Amino acid sequence: QVQLVQSGAEVKTPGASVKVSCRASGYTFSNYGISWVRQAPGQGLEWMGWISAYNGNTNYPQKLQGRVTMTTDTSTSTAYMELRSLIADDTAVYYCARDNYDSSGYLIKNWFDPWGQGTLVTVSS
Amino acid sequence: SSELTQDPAVSVALGQTVRITCQGDSLRSYYASWYQQKPGQAPVLVIYGQNNRPSGIPDRFSGSASGNTASLTITGAQAEDEGDYYCNSRDSSGHHHFGIGTKVTVL
Repeated sequence: QVQLVQSGAEVKTPGASVKVSCRASGYTFSNYGISWVRQAPGQGLEWMGWISAYNGNTNYPQKLQGRVTMTTDTSTSTAYMELRSLIADDTAVYYCARDNYDSSGYLIKNWFDPWGQGTLVTVSS
Repeated sequence: SSELTQDPAVSVALGQTVRITCQGDSLRSYYASWYQQKPGQAPVLVIYGQNNRPSGIPDRFSGSASGNTASLTITGAQAEDEGDYYCNSRDSSGHHHFGIGTKVTVL
């Protein structure tokens, strides 16, 4: 079955970097993109960006430009998300999700399925 | 604006019907997708497109779209449907946006 498995929890100090991995199985990795979404404690979902597993193209929101880098390794079907210059507000559960796209209908469809299990990143001094 | 507006909370009696709405300008060009999240769990896709359900999602979940509004309807709500429901859509830059989430309580 289609599955995304993420790396384990991390504890970082302010100013450090974190790199979370997301290993895909059950589908052709390069045929889809991967989006990353995070959720701070008790808060809603925040989209962090997208990477094409086909050619490595990325798309980040303005808020995270310059601090986030997404990469893929097609030889291991793994996506990575690195966040630098961590602050306490970066404490969150980080999710990867397969990004599905279909422009054949009346409107464009773009959805996230499946999701990884989540990786808790705690930033604390 | 690419923001998506959702009501923060709604309640429904067991077995009754509840509709959750999501409003935003981007919904005139892009379908919403809907995600159910239970405490301590990853979000799960329940509806995408006009009214597409992934395999394994009960048919009591349905979706609709009109103008700048997308709706998720649960017909015959069950206790296990309690949770937070988020709508999501993208804009012309490829950036995605989530609504604030609607907490569904089944009474």
